[in-house]
Amino acid sequence: KAGVTQTPRYLIKTRGQQVTLSCSPISGHRSVSWYQQTPGQGLQFLFEYFSETQRNKGNFPGRFSGRQFSNSRSEMNVSTLELGDSALYLCASSLAGLARSSYNEQFFGPGTRLTVL
Amino acid sequence: DQQVKQNSPSLSVQEGRISILNCDYTNSMFDYFLWYKKYPAEGPTFLISISSIKDKNEDGRFTVFLNKSAKHLSLHIVPSQPGDSAVYFCAASVRNRDDKIIFGKGTRLHILP
Repeated sequence: KAGVTQTPRYLIKTRGQQVTLSCSPISGHRSVSWYQQTPGQGLQFLFEYFSETQRNKGNFPGRFSGRQFSNSRSEMNVSTLELGDSALYLCASSLAGLARSSYNEQFFGPGTRLTVL
Repeated sequence: DQQVKQNSPSLSVQEGRISILNCDYTNSMFDYFLWYKKYPAEGPTFLISISSIKDKNEDGRFTVFLNKSAKHLSLHIVPSQPGDSAVYFCAASVRNRDDKIIFGKGTRLHILP
């Protein structure tokens, strides 16, 4: 069974630009969660999508948004990029979502490394 | 405000000895705790968890201890092996409430030969 895939793996943008990251969950998984990892803040929860609906949201500004398609693939968009948005963005998929799955059923992708210059 | 704290950014342990990674939390509502392991260029993988109704959970070489009164948990790895060199994240959540999972900043474990 293929794992969680994220594209692109690496991305370089400049301040003010916008970026879209993609996540394909494990086949059959309906929940996708997004996390931001930085050296200073560790892993921080961004949002969770389940069956095309945002079900949970972390404490990030509105510049961070996402969506989920009918095939469960998810995209995350960051507009008006700031230097502080440089981070590793991870997505994780699970079968029934954070509310119903055990966390050992949440599988992470390898991440997209975003660098903002 | 960091609700889950891993105060040691890094830790070095001799191969074969015990590795002890510590984690403190501030939110007394947390009732489920997890440890994840992360290698470079890979996503975190779930390692072990513990519910607040327990004070210990063991899985092979990995044991997690929970001290609710001190709001402290620890991960023990014994014996430590070279493949254990990784970043370890402690995480916590309030199950069946908002289910957000709050991670610590991670501790990098180096296993020395």
